[in-house]
Amino acid sequence: QKEVEQNSGPLSVPEGAIASLNCTYSDRGSQSFFWYRQYSGKSPELIMSIYSNGDKEDGRFTAQLNKASQYVSLLIRDSQPSDSATYLCAVNDYKLSFGAGTTVTVRA
Amino acid sequence: ETGVTQSPTHLIKTRGQQVTLRCSSQSGHNTVSWYQQALGQGPQFIFQYYREEENGRGNFPPRFSGLQFPNYSSELNVNALELDDSALYLCASSDISRGQDYGYTFGSGTRLTVV
Repeated sequence: QKEVEQNSGPLSVPEGAIASLNCTYSDRGSQSFFWYRQYSGKSPELIMSIYSNGDKEDGRFTAQLNKASQYVSLLIRDSQPSDSATYLCAVNDYKLSFGAGTTVTVRA
Repeated sequence: ETGVTQSPTHLIKTRGQQVTLRCSSQSGHNTVSWYQQALGQGPQFIFQYYREEENGRGNFPPRFSGLQFPNYSSELNVNALELDDSALYLCASSDISRGQDYGYTFGSGTRLTVV
């Protein structure tokens, strides 16, 4: 079983809609979780971090964490064409373990 | 505050050759880690350096080795290159003394092609 799994993409959403990305992890003891955005040919860029159960909001982004279910998600509200990218879920245990990523395309 | 810089940006090598990739960490960061990202995959952890010592290693063979220097910059060396080593190599820096809740900043990466 992979350490970090993300819902397979690609995910296509119309402009203005909500994009929902999901991630599960295998190590029940993990405490620290990140979402990175990666544009094609570029390096990952940190967009959200979450450590406690519940929701964390930052602008149009909301991260949700449920440690009992070993599940972390990212919602992108009012999706814009500039949000088109691959989103990587990462678990930090003094090293980052990444999922394979979910590619999001926002249709104008 | 300077970010993470990597060099070179692109590199083409022949199978069997050796390569050295370089990384300068972000100002104030004391930890450097290296990742390999194959096309269509998430980054895979190679190893991490803290205070010039390797303090974590992923599932990579010994021909992948590294160094961290007193100024926290780092090198990744790969010997006996194989075609499957073709990937984007990412360097990330962090301040590990701030705990694992502190994020990592990535450099722009080095695209290595082995032919």
